[in-house]
Amino acid sequence: AQTVTQSQPEMSVQEAETVTLSCTYDTSESNYYLFWYKQPPSRQMILVIRQEAYKQQNATENRFSVNFQKAAKSFSLKISDSQLGDTAMYFCAFLLLRAGGTSYGKLTFGQGTILTVHP
Amino acid sequence: SAVISQKPSRDICQRGTSLTIQCQVDSQVTMMFWYRQQPGQSLTLIATANQGSEATYESGFVIDKFPISRPNLTFSTLTVSNMSPEDSSIYLCSVGRLDTEAFFGQGTRLTVV
Repeated sequence: AQTVTQSQPEMSVQEAETVTLSCTYDTSESNYYLFWYKQPPSRQMILVIRQEAYKQQNATENRFSVNFQKAAKSFSLKISDSQLGDTAMYFCAFLLLRAGGTSYGKLTFGQGTILTVHP
Repeated sequence: SAVISQKPSRDICQRGTSLTIQCQVDSQVTMMFWYRQQPGQSLTLIATANQGSEATYESGFVIDKFPISRPNLTFSTLTVSNMSPEDSSIYLCSVGRLDTEAFFGQGTRLTVV
C-alpha cells in the first residue's frame, strides 16, 4: 500500500513571496503519478499540478512548480509570487498506474497543509 | 475534463436518520469514487463504485453504513445510514479517466445533530 506524508500542517507567506510545501511518499511501485490539489473554503478540489514518475523533468504550471526526487520519494510544491487567492488547503496525492499505464483515478492523499497568504 | 454535479451541497440531519447524496457526471466514466473528509482532515476513500456490480469498500467502511448505488455510467449515490454526530464530514464524489486525472464534485457538507 502507498502512503503520503505532509509534515507541515500549516504554512504562511507574504503576498508576492515564494513558499515551498513538502510531501514525501512511500511505494514499492515504479509507475505512478503524483499530484498537488488545492482545496479553498469552497470545498472544491482543484488540480494544481501533476508529475509523471517516469519523467525526470520537473513539472511547472505558471507560478507553480515541483521538485520531484524519485529516489528520495519526495515531491515538493513551490509557489512563486504568492497571491491572496492561493490561500487554501493543499493536498499531495499519489495515483498508482495499472499495467499498460492507465488508471481509474483512485487517489491516496496526504494529511494536507493549510497555506495562508498575508497581504 | 469532467463536470460533476453533487447534491445536496450541505445538509443538517438528525441522528438516527439517513441521507442520500447524489453524484451526476456529464459523461460516461468507468469508476466513481466516494471520499470522506472529516473536519480539518484529509480525504479518505470510502468505496469505489462500479456500474453493474457491488461497490468495493475500503477498510473501516461497510455497506450497511454506506450503501452505494451505481445504476449507470454517469450516476451514483452514497447513503449515510443511521447517522451519528461522528458522521459529520464533507463527502466528495470523484471520477477517474483512463488518462489518469481525477475530477471532484463540490462536496456535500453534512452536519449531524
